[in-house]
Amino acid sequence: GAVVSQHPSWVICKSGTSVKIECRSLDFQATTMFWYRQFPKQSLMLMATSNEGSKATYEQGVEKDKFLINHASLTLSTLTVTSAHPEDSSFYICSADQGAGGQPQHFGDGTRLSIL
Amino acid sequence: SQKIEQNSEALNIQEGKTATLTCNYTNYSPAYLQWYRQDPGRGPVFLLLIRENEKEKRKERLKVTFDTTLKQSLFHITASQPADSATYLCALDGRSQAGTALIFGKGTTLSVSS
Repeated sequence: GAVVSQHPSWVICKSGTSVKIECRSLDFQATTMFWYRQFPKQSLMLMATSNEGSKATYEQGVEKDKFLINHASLTLSTLTVTSAHPEDSSFYICSADQGAGGQPQHFGDGTRLSIL
Repeated sequence: SQKIEQNSEALNIQEGKTATLTCNYTNYSPAYLQWYRQDPGRGPVFLLLIRENEKEKRKERLKVTFDTTLKQSLFHITASQPADSATYLCALDGRSQAGTALIFGKGTTLSVSS
């Protein structure tokens, strides 16, 4: 089945650090990838839609200068949390689909980000 | 406003019983609805997809129904096992700034005791 790999799985760093999270589709090409954030006992909140070769589209309330998304190839999207602060601590999850509408999303295993 | 509500935050049942989880939505017109399983510290895993013109879908011990009049989906796990303990998320195709994306409910955490 389709596999999405997300790395790293866990990051602890100091306030002010920038953190890069990678999301790779291992056995399929993903024209579109999605980035979600999940707080404890809350739903997955869509942050942005990432399309290969073009700028990401951010949801309202998500700072595009803080959460930099790059989708340079059909198998890799990256999310960089710039100058992270404690309030950015969360569980970040990426997903990808295989291009056809109404299909299941394939999710990475998430990145637990803790900013001290 | 748009809402997806999974009515029970937690559901506790005994092994062997049928678990029934509810997903209600407001101010959406989804073409399909999906159910995912999420274990602690992991990403969601796809279980079932049901389209607006389908009443029911089954996969092994899982069954999902979709009632567009009631704006509700029910998710059933028959002969439940402790290994079924997890959080179950419903999701539908909603509007995003880019067009459409999966929008999720908060989930129901199911605990199956032996």
